[in-house]
Amino acid sequence: GIQVEQSPPDLILQEGANSTLRCNFSDSVNNLQWFHQNPWGQLINLFYIPSGTKQNGRLSATTVATERYSLLYISSSQTTDSGVYFCAVMAGFNKFYFGSGTKLNVKP
Amino acid sequence: SQTIHQWPATLVQPVGSPLSLECTVEGTSNPNLYWYRQAAGRGLQLLFYSVGIGQISSEVPQNLSASRPQDRQFILSSKKLLLSDSGFYLCAWSPRLWYEQFFGPGTRLTVL
Repeated sequence: GIQVEQSPPDLILQEGANSTLRCNFSDSVNNLQWFHQNPWGQLINLFYIPSGTKQNGRLSATTVATERYSLLYISSSQTTDSGVYFCAVMAGFNKFYFGSGTKLNVKP
Repeated sequence: SQTIHQWPATLVQPVGSPLSLECTVEGTSNPNLYWYRQAAGRGLQLLFYSVGIGQISSEVPQNLSASRPQDRQFILSSKKLLLSDSGFYLCAWSPRLWYEQFFGPGTRLTVL
């Protein structure tokens, strides 16, 4: 199957700082999603972004499918941004693969 | 709007006992449905997906099985649980031809 690598694995930020999370994938994909998993385990959809750039408030994402990576930008981080961020790709029909996640801790 | 439900939220079961986890989706029809497992501190692993009633595809050989008796109902089962079946089980759905996934709240299963 396809390999999905996320970096960094852990990230500690002071409130108000900016950060960039990266997702690399080893083969062509049909779509890509970013999720935020809150402390209760709920996966929250952030972006559905097979290619291009999208923005939603303080968050934005860019996927360069030809170079097999995606970036998630978090600006002016808040303590509520803490949690684990996952990148997931679909390669083939209904074949979904998740990265191991980036664990973010935003300190007040 | 669409909602996805899972129950129970938590479950503690002895080794060798049966398992049945249920997932239902509201507000949509003909969805793709998925079961994932997440081990502690890890990413999600796709276990099963279904594109229609009675149609199940297994991604990982294991002690579990899945069924889809109704269009918006997806069930994860086991006849005899193993210790290694412990984990966080998540159900997801996507529109039939638009593969953006939406997840339920999950079930935390502990096998003792």
